[in-house]
Amino acid sequence: KQEVTQIPAALSVPEGENLVLNCSFTDSAIYNLQWFRQDPGKGLTSLLLIQSSQREQTSGRLNASLDKSSGRSTLYIAASQPGDSATYLCAVRRNAGNMLTFGGGTRLMVKP
Amino acid sequence: DAGITQSPRHKVTETGTPVTLRCHQTENHRYMYWYRQDPGHGLRLIHYSYGVKDTDKGEVSDGYSVSRSKTEDFLLTLESATSSQTSVYFCAISESGSNQPQHFGDGTRLSIL
Repeated sequence: KQEVTQIPAALSVPEGENLVLNCSFTDSAIYNLQWFRQDPGKGLTSLLLIQSSQREQTSGRLNASLDKSSGRSTLYIAASQPGDSATYLCAVRRNAGNMLTFGGGTRLMVKP
Repeated sequence: DAGITQSPRHKVTETGTPVTLRCHQTENHRYMYWYRQDPGHGLRLIHYSYGVKDTDKGEVSDGYSVSRSKTEDFLLTLESATSSQTSVYFCAISESGSNQPQHFGDGTRLSIL
């Protein structure tokens, strides 16, 4: 059974810092990995999707990497801003079926 | 934002009553999903649909049924609501293809007393 872990569960940083969020998964047989952002009381916003054949994806200040063989992904946020404060979730799609398995999330607070 | 509307957004009901949640999309995506989100358990898939009248079970399907009679609508029914089904329910959609992202609605907060 696929298990997805995100460490740390919470992170507080001053504005302007570059930071890295971690995601690990136990079964390397995945189609892709997706990073989401969730604001309090809201749904999930898709940030980046990395296919299993890719090493990284970039969107603006965000860069996601994938090391399938070691079962790890990182989300790098450059020059963090208070507006980046949210919970960040990673999810992996297995080879079989359409199921996404989610990590527990990292709650990020960026202080002005 | 993906055109996904969930209704109702909030609902309080009593144990033993049937409850139906609706997800409506305007994107004409083939796949639709129902998840629940609970503290300590994260997001878990309940059921999903891969076309009109085509559905399959997810990780936590007991006590839930779904129906999809039109491409745009995916209904989730709690046949006899229990307090353990108090949760936030999210609908998601995706296009066909193994590397299409899932896009989520804003959720329905359901409380069962």
